[in-house]
Amino acid sequence: AQTVTQSQPEMSVQEAETVTLSCTYDTSESNYYLFWYKQPPSRQMILVIRQEAYKQQNATENRFSVNFQKAAKSFSLKISDSQLGDTAMYFCAFMKIQGAQKLVFGQGTRLTINP
Amino acid sequence: DTEVTQTPKHLVMGMTNKKSLKCEQHMGHRAMYWYKQKAKKPPELMFVYSYEKLSINESVPSRFSPECPNSSLLNLHLHALQPEDSALYLCASSHPTSGASTDTQYFGPGTRLTVL
Repeated sequence: AQTVTQSQPEMSVQEAETVTLSCTYDTSESNYYLFWYKQPPSRQMILVIRQEAYKQQNATENRFSVNFQKAAKSFSLKISDSQLGDTAMYFCAFMKIQGAQKLVFGQGTRLTINP
Repeated sequence: DTEVTQTPKHLVMGMTNKKSLKCEQHMGHRAMYWYKQKAKKPPELMFVYSYEKLSINESVPSRFSPECPNSSLLNLHLHALQPEDSALYLCASSHPTSGASTDTQYFGPGTRLTVL
């Protein structure tokens, strides 16, 4: 079975700062996806970024980038130039590529961006 | 367009009521999901439909009954719920890339359910 661990229940930074959210996972699979989703107070779960395990290059989406360390089973999210709208709960998630279509979520990190 | 819609946004029901939640997507996705999310917790998978057939039921009580009438619609019928079933119910869809493999799941805004 796969597990996902987010060790930071809450984080708080000032606007425009850079913040890194941690995520580790455990799996015996060799092919899988990793995701970061954000869930603002409006409740909508929004995809932030996706990483395919077979790709060595770290994924980036504008101000969001990941540091994917496959051997260490680590998948951290870096948010650059943080904005007030980045305030949300952030979930790290794992999914096997083949077989069961199940997202395994971490417990989440509540991120607050202060003005 | 990566939009998944859910209706209603809020639902309050008694333990003897029968109600339904609706989810719709027009992205051509052939996999659809129901999740339950309690406050300050991650979503928990309930059901998965793949090509309009139920492929995963995560041992959900029979008072929750899913239905997939076509490739764009997913319903969740509710009957004789308990107060502990109060939660945010999220729908998601994804595009199976090939065979049993799947792609990114896109979520709807959810239905906030309160059972009195």
